Amino acid sequence: QVQLQESGPGLVKPSETLSLTCSVSGYSISSGYYWGWIRLPPGKGLDWIGNIFHSGSIYYNPSLRSRVTISADTSKNQLYLKVTSLTAADTAVYYCARLTSRLGNAFDIWGQGTVVTVSS
Amino acid sequence: QSALTQPASVSGSPGQSITISCTETRSDVGGYNFVSWYQQHPGKAPKLMIYDVSDRPSGISNRFSGSKSGNTASLTISGLQADDEADYYCSSYTGYSVVFGGGTKLTVL
Repeated sequence: QVQLQESGPGLVKPSETLSLTCSVSGYSISSGYYWGWIRLPPGKGLDWIGNIFHSGSIYYNPSLRSRVTISADTSKNQLYLKVTSLTAADTAVYYCARLTSRLGNAFDIWGQGTVVTVSS
Repeated sequence: QSALTQPASVSGSPGQSITISCTETRSDVGGYNFVSWYQQHPGKAPKLMIYDVSDRPSGISNRFSGSKSGNTASLTISGLQADDEADYYCSSYTGYSVVFGGGTKLTVL
């Protein structure tokens, strides 16, 4: 059974950098699939951040590309998200999810999410 | 990049059917075929309900159905139940990018 678990600091200060980890169990991320980061700001809708392919290709939301870095460590079976120059607008629940072409390039498995608050 | 427009809210009574629309606007001509729908209850992760416009993942009730006409995709929920009350998001995958609609809050009266 494939499971994803996000982890991170919870509270970060404006202008600082956010670093999140997504630990994947039950499947080796180097074996296939795309893996994505999505966030849900309070009172707003889902916001796609970017995807990393098992081959290493990475695609970002154009609106966030200048501040976001997605990476992976296949030896640890983990995905990472970095967001720089944080503002209050980056406050959100951050999710990692698996995207599968088998189901029309949809996100079929999601982590439980980790809450990130940007505040001084 | 395309944009997906959904109504902010819809409502229905138990047993009734409701439909949520998702209209795609884009500056270039391209595919709008990888359409999916997600259900999200408060405090929970989104759940995939429909993929490829109208297909249901294993385990999803046949009360949920999807369709598309032109640039508008739709999610229909029949036989409304109290547990269907949630936020619903449409999404499209095009050119390695993902776009989500703004979300629709479904209230079961």
